[in-house]
Amino acid sequence: SQQGEEDPQALSIQEGENATMNCSYKTSINNLQWYRQNSGRGLVHLILIRSNEREKHSGRLRVTLDTSKKSSSLLITASRAADTASYFCATDGGGSNYKLTFGKGTLLTVNP
Amino acid sequence: DTGVSQDPRHKITKRGQNVTFRCDPISEHNRLYWYRQTLGQGPEFLTYFQNEAQLEKSRLLSDRFSAERPKGSFSTLEIQRTEQGDSAMYLCASSPGQGAREQYFGPGTRLTVT
Repeated sequence: SQQGEEDPQALSIQEGENATMNCSYKTSINNLQWYRQNSGRGLVHLILIRSNEREKHSGRLRVTLDTSKKSSSLLITASRAADTASYFCATDGGGSNYKLTFGKGTLLTVNP
Repeated sequence: DTGVSQDPRHKITKRGQNVTFRCDPISEHNRLYWYRQTLGQGPEFLTYFQNEAQLEKSRLLSDRFSAERPKGSFSTLEIQRTEQGDSAMYLCASSPGQGAREQYFGPGTRLTVT
């Protein structure tokens, strides 16, 4: 079963604009991860945020986490055509349980 | 390139046939995972290994599915008596364990059952 639900399901923007994707999850988490998937490079880990963190940055990526609302957001600033991909949030079971539970993903299209 | 590799990349088989996929993880990663992904969905967990021990299997993994990881290196996933519902992308991932939570995925094997 899917743990998270990404919103929106699809997003189309122009190059240079910012893109925001949201993820909601159901159970308590120790951390939340975001992955990107495109046909060229497969599924790639982007960033991990721990449950005691509220915000994390990596290059043009900014992730926030609100554990009280069981939600996370991924912001991509100054988007590029190469950012076109599906973006998934994923949670693991914590402790020694590393298996990931993914959402359905957001398909981002960045138009040049 | 020392990433996760999978073989074959594509497999077309007739219903009822057996298929076997191989995954070579990043060397020295002791954890190896198999996921299945269908169109428009996120990957779904199938099973994982720590070294050669298979520690967890999803209920998605019916009796027709078996996975092995001899000697804690590469892994194989076999599907017996394939069904059309088995058509999907099968993804393999590895991680170093030791507290590192991120997983490194291979390119996947796309299975089509006709």
